[in-house]
Amino acid sequence: GAGVSQSPRYKVAKRGQDVALRCDPISGHVSLFWYQQALGQGPEFLTYFQNEAQLDKSGLPSDRFFAERPEGSVSTLKIQRTQQEDSAVYLCASSSMWGTEDTQYFGPGTRLTVL
Amino acid sequence: GNSVTQMEGPVTLSEEAFLTINCTYTATGYPSLFWYVQYPGEGLQLLLKATKADDKGSNKGFEATYRKETTSFHLEKGSVQVSDSAVYFCALARIAAGNKLTFGGGTRVLVKP
Repeated sequence: GAGVSQSPRYKVAKRGQDVALRCDPISGHVSLFWYQQALGQGPEFLTYFQNEAQLDKSGLPSDRFFAERPEGSVSTLKIQRTQQEDSAVYLCASSSMWGTEDTQYFGPGTRLTVL
Repeated sequence: GNSVTQMEGPVTLSEEAFLTINCTYTATGYPSLFWYVQYPGEGLQLLLKATKADDKGSNKGFEATYRKETTSFHLEKGSVQVSDSAVYFCALARIAAGNKLTFGGGTRVLVKP
């Protein structure tokens, strides 16, 4: 596709609900990253994939957060039993290579509000 | 660990004024440095980057020089326009860490006509 797309763009969840956020990277991009951006702050790294392999999940804040990319393309970030502190914009980025300095292209983000 | 510190905003300027946003970093090894911009209602976009010491990144009239001796990557523009109003993020990445980006807190810039 022309760019990174994310869906839904907005999600409102009641505390305790499970949510799933989708990311469609640029076609052919090997690396895919997830970031969390709290209001008024810079994005913070959550996890990344090279193809279908999750190589780093050190930024996931708790075991309620889970990400997958089973076929090396589309990725889903799942948050179980959402809490109010999970409210943030979740950003997905992709890049064409791994192991070399390369530009990450960001999607528009999913704004999650937990009530 | 890695960290990025940038000046807090908001920064309010008049059109055609000179803009500087300070950014300093802490990192092991030799990171690449980036400036990303987020225009109102839009996603993060790469503005410019530099991959090694003394490199200068430039784009759309913005410039930043990778200064290893001062661990800085300050963003400058000589004459801002209203359309430059946005939030600017300084960031670093290390190949050895999989190129994950570490961002500063962002600086909101408002340019008034």
